[in-house]
Amino acid sequence: QSALTQPPSASGSPGQSVTISCSGTSSDIGTYNYVSWYQQHPDKAPKLMIYEVTKRPSGVPDRFSGSKSGNTASLTVSGLQAEDEANYYCSSYAGNNKWVFGGGTKLTVL
Amino acid sequence: QVQLVESGGGVVQPGRSLRLSCAASGFTFSSYAVHWVRQAPGKGLEWVAVISEDGSDKYYADSVKGRFTISRDNSKNTLYLQMNSQRVEDTAVYYCARAGYRHFDYWGQGTLVSVSS
Repeated sequence: QSALTQPPSASGSPGQSVTISCSGTSSDIGTYNYVSWYQQHPDKAPKLMIYEVTKRPSGVPDRFSGSKSGNTASLTVSGLQAEDEANYYCSSYAGNNKWVFGGGTKLTVL
Repeated sequence: QVQLVESGGGVVQPGRSLRLSCAASGFTFSSYAVHWVRQAPGKGLEWVAVISEDGSDKYYADSVKGRFTISRDNSKNTLYLQMNSQRVEDTAVYYCARAGYRHFDYWGQGTLVSVSS
């Protein structure tokens, strides 16, 4: 299974919005509505931010939202805050009890 | 609260074996599938393996199939990863993660495995 494709970096000023893309194929993102997003601060464990493309777990601010079109998923962070600076990873179910991740995007809050 | 604590990492020579453990607490362990996910130094996440709630079903990434074995002991609330025939490219932080429905809802802090001669 091949990794999903994310831009290595993204940035925005406090209060702005930023969108991170995640490109897959018809075998993963294009077929399944099981895209999830994870936030990882340096030397910390990943934290679930979005699951099933658009759903937010309890406790995740509504500034975080997800979407999908075709083989590409996106994470949008609105009203950027300093604590949002982290690495973000997308993941998709790829069928046959296998999962695939993206390479990660480093979000910088300017 | 949900807690997952990995242990067993360390330095191992290529071709040798190592077993990782993941102790779970704060939830009914036997009611959840559990995954192993790894992260090579400075790299992204890579899914490794998953085991069903009762341990009867196990699935692996192609990169570890035939070398790694996932198992669990529900009486001890513990997940395991037996890693045999280790390669330099297996060097990574290994995380255990509780399964949501086709996502990973809680993660441990990870344990570092370094494969080096």
